[in-house]
Amino acid sequence: DAGITQSPRHKVTETGTPVTLRCHQTENHRYMYWYRQDPGHGLRLIHYSYGVKDTDKGEVSDGYSVSRSKTEDFLLTLESATSSQTSVYFCAILQGSGANVLTFGAGSRLTVL
Amino acid sequence: AQSVSQHNHHVILSEAASLELGCNYSYGGTVNLFWYVQYPGQHLQLLLKYFSGDPLVKGIKGFEAEFIKSKFSFNLRKPSVQWSDTAEYFCAVNPYNNNDMRFGAGTRLTVKP
Repeated sequence: DAGITQSPRHKVTETGTPVTLRCHQTENHRYMYWYRQDPGHGLRLIHYSYGVKDTDKGEVSDGYSVSRSKTEDFLLTLESATSSQTSVYFCAILQGSGANVLTFGAGSRLTVL
Repeated sequence: AQSVSQHNHHVILSEAASLELGCNYSYGGTVNLFWYVQYPGQHLQLLLKYFSGDPLVKGIKGFEAEFIKSKFSFNLRKPSVQWSDTAEYFCAVNPYNNNDMRFGAGTRLTVKP
């Protein structure tokens, strides 16, 4: 286990409200990722980070922003949640130099009503 | 943009049957290839990976996958499935020297006892 903690694990919110999901790691890994998982779509990359304050967009970044002010924390923010953002969100870290293997957190289930 | 295609959405097998799950990708350069598994209620775990060398790679729990470069394929196989293999299986592609990891839509495997 790479010491990845996601919070909250479950959240129900209303359309238009802001939501922040947190991913915390304890092993000082450089690369961190946010994916969303939806039936029929598998995992889709939202944003990833390759260092403190260094982030890049994935394939479904619209409506999401991220921040990484310290190595151990990678925050995903929905500025104004919509029902289409109801999903399970997974954080992942890239383990090992050159290994390119992702290790995933337990997931955060978000429901937007 | 690169994409990953998994041909089977849902596969249903009886125990002891042989399994083959298809995966094709569209990226033309050198890639690293992965299969991840997600057991019910759990997060994704690495099943096996291919970086270079022997195109037939063996993973955990008796799974193997074959990389066929000319077909841009990385199919997952198991000679004899067990009820405990019931899970969702995801193929993933990572371009060499790039930390962008893309997943297929997943294949749900149901093994009947």
